Order: sequence, then structure tokens, then C-alpha cells
Amino acid sequence: AQSVAQPEDQVNVAEGNPLTVKCTYSVSGNPYLFWYVQYPNRGLQFLLKYITGDNLVKGSYGFEAEFNKSQTSFHLKKPSALVSDSALYFCAVRASYNTDKLIFGTGTRLQVFP
Amino acid sequence: DAEITQSPRHKITETGRQVTLACHQTWNHNNMFWYRQDLGHGLRLIHYSYGVQDTNKGEVSDGYSVSRSNTEDLPLTLESAASSQTSVYFCASSEGGIRYNEQFFGPGTRLTVL
Repeated sequence: AQSVAQPEDQVNVAEGNPLTVKCTYSVSGNPYLFWYVQYPNRGLQFLLKYITGDNLVKGSYGFEAEFNKSQTSFHLKKPSALVSDSALYFCAVRASYNTDKLIFGTGTRLQVFP
Repeated sequence: DAEITQSPRHKITETGRQVTLACHQTWNHNNMFWYRQDLGHGLRLIHYSYGVQDTNKGEVSDGYSVSRSNTEDLPLTLESAASSQTSVYFCASSEGGIRYNEQFFGPGTRLTVL
């Protein structure tokens, strides 16, 4: 069965420093991976997705994610964190071929300190 | 602009009552999904639909039902509300087809069952 794991409940980083939010996956077949962000009292917003091709995927708000097949990881990164990046981040994987159904991780809260 | 809306945004009800949460999207998307969000669990899929008259159970469907009579709406009904169903509920939609589409989320409904 497809699954994703977010090993960190919370990540703290100083403004201006690079940030990484970790995600590992377990899939049968090709992985289709997504990152979403949730700001307080809001719905989830799509950041980026990996389907195939380049291992470095660029998304919204300056975020990018690195797909690593050998380590089965899809970590979210940003070169320089902003206080406004503080939010809850979810990694997700497509549940099966030919479906838009997603399986979400438990989420990682990112706190960026001024 | 196309959007996905949920109503009500907040609801307090009593154990045993029937409750219906509305979800309406103007994206003209074929696929619609209902999730619940609970601390430590991330988002869990309740029900989903791939088109009019199509409904499917997700991983936590017990006590919930949906119906899809048109493209725009997928109401979620709690047959007899239980305290364990206190949660934040999110509706989402995606275009469908085999284009590995991201999901678009509504703002959520916070449901409290007393």
C-alpha cells in the first residue's frame, strides 16, 4: 500500500536560513508526490508535485522539492525562510494508478523565527 | 474566479442528530473528496466521487454518507452524529482524467458534537 511519512512534527528555523521539511514514501510502481501548505484556519494549498522528469521540482512561493529515488524521499526546501512561511506542511502520495485520490502524511509544523 | 466553498464554516450539534455539510465547486471538476483532519492523523479520506451518481468509500467512511446529483455539489451527511466525529472537515476537487492533477481544497468546516 502507498504511504508517506513525515518524521518531524515541528521544524524551527531562523528567518533567512534555508529550510528543509522531510518526507519519505513507500509505493509500488511510480511515485506521484505532492506538497501542500495549510495556513491557520484555511484549507490546504497546493505547492508542487513530482510526476516524472527532473528530480528538482520548483513550486509556489519559492519552494522546491528534491525527489530521491534511492532514498525514497521527497524533501521540501527553500533557500531562505520567511516568517510568513510559518504554517503546516503536508506531503502526499497518489493512492494508486489512474486516480487523483491522495494519501497524506501527518503534517509538519514549520515555525520561522524573526 | 472558480472556487470551492463549504458551509457552514462552524457547526455545533448534539449526539444523535443528523448533520449535513455542504460542498460546492465552480471548477467544473469531475472528482470531489471529503476529508477529516485530526491532530496526529493528518487528513483522512472519508468519501469520494469521480462523477455524477458515483460515490466511493474512503478509509474512514463509517457513519458518513455522500450523494452526487450534479457536478458542483457533494454534501456530506453524518447519519447520527457522535462525539468521535468532532473534527475539521475539508472538501476538495480535482479535474480528473489521467493527468495527475492536484486537488483544490475548500476552507473547511469545524464540527463539534456535544
